[in-house]
Amino acid sequence: AQSVTQLDSHVSVSEGTPVLLRCNYSSSYSPSLFWYVQHPNKGLQLLLKYTSAATLVKGINGFEAEFKKSETSFHLTKPSAHMSDAAEYFCVVSLMNTGFQKLVFGTGTRLLVSP
Amino acid sequence: DGGITQSPKYLFRKEGQNVTLSCEQNLNHDAMYWYRQDPGQGLRLIYYSQIVNDFQKGDIAEGYSVSREKKESFPLTVTSAQKNPTAFYLCASSILGVNTEAFFGQGTRLTVV
Repeated sequence: AQSVTQLDSHVSVSEGTPVLLRCNYSSSYSPSLFWYVQHPNKGLQLLLKYTSAATLVKGINGFEAEFKKSETSFHLTKPSAHMSDAAEYFCVVSLMNTGFQKLVFGTGTRLLVSP
Repeated sequence: DGGITQSPKYLFRKEGQNVTLSCEQNLNHDAMYWYRQDPGQGLRLIYYSQIVNDFQKGDIAEGYSVSREKKESFPLTVTSAQKNPTAFYLCASSILGVNTEAFFGQGTRLTVV
């Protein structure tokens, strides 16, 4: 079965330092992968998606992720954290089931940014 | 503005009562979804619909019901059979097909006392 594992439940960084949020996937074929962000008590917003084109995917707000098939990873990075990046981040894999796209969510990583 | 509207934002109900959560979208999307979010568990799929008058159970459908009488609307009823209904509920929509972005509403926080 396809799934994603987010390796850290919480990540703390200082403003201006790099961000790394880790995600590993399991899949029997080349998956489609997404990163979504959720600010407190809000809905989710798409940051970026990988769909078997370029392995380095650029998203909104300076985030990017690299698909590494050999490591089955899709880690999310940002060179310099901003206070507004504090939120929960979800790694998501897309499954196709009888023509329907089902999204399977990781358990989330809460990013804390200190001044 | 195009988007998904969930109402109400906060909802309190007594144990044993049914309650209906509203979800409306004006994005002209065919597919709509309901997810439940609990701390530390990510999002879990309750029900989804790909077309009007048709819907399918997701991973945790027990104790919930839905309808899809209009393309724009996909209300969720939390019934008294749902053993642990207190949670954050998120509605989403997308176009049909692979690798498509899901657009989410702002969520409804349901508390059952």
